[in-house]
Amino acid sequence: DGGITQSPKYLFRKEGQNVTLSCEQNLNHDAMYWYRQDPGQGLRLIYYSQIVNDFQKGDIAEGYSVSREKKESFPLTVTSAQKNPTAFYLCASSTGQGGIAYGYTFGSGTRLTVV
Amino acid sequence: QQQVKQSPQSLIVQKGGISIINCAYENTAFDYFPWYQQFPGKGPALLIAIRPDVSEKKEGRFTISFNKSAKQFSLHIMDSQPGDSATYFCAASINDYKLSFGAGTTVTVRA
Repeated sequence: DGGITQSPKYLFRKEGQNVTLSCEQNLNHDAMYWYRQDPGQGLRLIYYSQIVNDFQKGDIAEGYSVSREKKESFPLTVTSAQKNPTAFYLCASSTGQGGIAYGYTFGSGTRLTVV
Repeated sequence: QQQVKQSPQSLIVQKGGISIINCAYENTAFDYFPWYQQFPGKGPALLIAIRPDVSEKKEGRFTISFNKSAKQFSLHIMDSQPGDSATYFCAASINDYKLSFGAGTTVTVRA
């Protein structure tokens, strides 16, 4: 079945530590996205990528980094510079600018907690 | 700056009632308007979507109404059921790229 796989489902980070969230898709989508969701605050865009080796900052990119070395993969690193990383992180993909709109497909999310 | 404004923030409806969620947008270049449903601890799932050349789209108990001149669109949930209790997000984009999401509406259906 086609879809997006996020791992791990739960992640705990110590102060000053970098952690990487995995996102893999087998939908052959060109575009991929990372969102952060806090209670009652909706979805805020962290980074997005239209093609391999290219990505753009979203609305809240500070303290985060990404890479897009393969079409299928878009990992997100939460760095120690992100002072309030506790949140629910969602990865999504879509056909992109040149594709027919079928809407985003979301992963099941990673819940990151600072301990 | 939020490009899509959604209201209300939350609503409570009795079983069998109608839930109505409204959204407004500013960018007239938007040409794709999806709605997503999210259950606690899960990723959002596409519920229904509309293009601006259509004023209404219905799928089962869910209907999108679209008013291009007013730059508004809404989701109607008919015969609301307890299983519809979730958070609903409207969104808008140009084609299928970089959706702008509303802030979300939490719907509670009372049995």
